[in-house]
Amino acid sequence: QKEVEQNSGPLSVPEGAIASLNCTYSDRGSQSFFWYRQYSGKSPELIMFIYSNGDKEDGRFTAQLNKASQYVSLLIRDSQPSDSATYLCAVNGESGTGNQFYFGTGTSLTVIP
Amino acid sequence: EAGVTQSPTHLIKTRGQQATLRCSPISGHTSVYWYQQALGLGLQFLLWYDEGEERNRGNFPPRFSGRQFPNYSSELNVNALELEDSALYLCASSLWASGGSAQYFGPGTRLTVL
Repeated sequence: QKEVEQNSGPLSVPEGAIASLNCTYSDRGSQSFFWYRQYSGKSPELIMFIYSNGDKEDGRFTAQLNKASQYVSLLIRDSQPSDSATYLCAVNGESGTGNQFYFGTGTSLTVIP
Repeated sequence: EAGVTQSPTHLIKTRGQQATLRCSPISGHTSVYWYQQALGLGLQFLLWYDEGEERNRGNFPPRFSGRQFPNYSSELNVNALELEDSALYLCASSLWASGGSAQYFGPGTRLTVL
């Protein structure tokens, strides 16, 4: 069974700190990795995607991928109260499943002013 | 570029009734996905359509069904509604490309079953 696992949290960080969110996946054939942010009562919003091993930076967000360890993470620098949300990790392109997406259950992040 | 749209925004039904939810994908996207998200819980995969065909379905009973039209829009039908069907129903679209591509979500339809 293909799985995407996240620590459900809640994760609390002070304003201005770095928030680190982690995700592991079970299928080595996975090719694409995504992070979504979901505010309470709203739909998920894509914030980062990464396809290759290493780091990818976009503003205050950095996605890190290690395919050998089947691990993907999201770092949020200079965390702001507006970053308080649930962060969903998603994996796509797993072997034999085409464009099927697999989501983790999400990590709840609270940034304390 | 217009995003994924869903209608209606809210839907209130009573037990045993049928609900129909609609989704229009981003222009050029051929894949449409449906998810159920009960209050405080994660996304539960319902259905995936691509090019008019059902590609996969999640672990839901047959009273959850849907279809994709030639213009790639989609509808989700839920028959014989039960109280536990109350949830946010999310539609997402994607373009099926080698190596995968991102999925973009609509605003959702909040279904309340009384």
